[in-house]
Amino acid sequence: AQSVTQLDSQVPVFEEAPVELRCNYSSSVSVYLFWYVQYPNQGLQLLLKYLSGSTLVESINGFEAEFNKSQTSFHLRKPSVHISDTAEYFCAAYSGAGSYQLTFGKGTKLSVIP
Amino acid sequence: DAGVIQSPRHEVTEMGQEVTLRCKPISGHNSLFWYRQTMMRGLELLIYFNNNVPIDDSGMPEDRFSAKMPNASFSTLKIQPSEPRDSAVYFCASMGQTGQQGYTFGSGTRLTVV
Repeated sequence: AQSVTQLDSQVPVFEEAPVELRCNYSSSVSVYLFWYVQYPNQGLQLLLKYLSGSTLVESINGFEAEFNKSQTSFHLRKPSVHISDTAEYFCAAYSGAGSYQLTFGKGTKLSVIP
Repeated sequence: DAGVIQSPRHEVTEMGQEVTLRCKPISGHNSLFWYRQTMMRGLELLIYFNNNVPIDDSGMPEDRFSAKMPNASFSTLKIQPSEPRDSAVYFCASMGQTGQQGYTFGSGTRLTVV
């Protein structure tokens, strides 16, 4: 069975500092990978995704994630965070092959400290 | 497209009452998912449908919970009778056939059972 592991449940970071949120997946088949963001009191929104091709994918608000097949990782990074990035971030994987659903990690709460 | 539409946004009810949550998925999406989110348990998959057919309801906590999808554009999640421990945010999400767009989540229904 596919699984997604987010190693850190909470990550505090100072404003303008870099951040990395870690995600590892387990799958023996090709996967699509996603990062979702949930701002306080809101639903989950798609942040970025990897389907194929270039292993580095970017979002419109400065986040990027790199697909690493050998390490089965899809870590999310931002070189300089803002207060407005405070949110919970969820990594998810979709393996297709008859599976109709995404497998989510447990989420990482990013707190940006002024 | 207006996205995934959930109603109501907020629901306050007394213990023992019946509660019905509603969801309209994105037109053309053929998979629909109901999730529950609490501080203690995080994001939990309750049930999902593919082409209006329930595929996996193993996440439904007990017989008080039921879900239906009578057609491709509408689904309901019913709790009867409701209990205080059912208080949570309930999300509906939909996904297209290829999985390449991931899920689109609704804004959620915040249920409070007093």
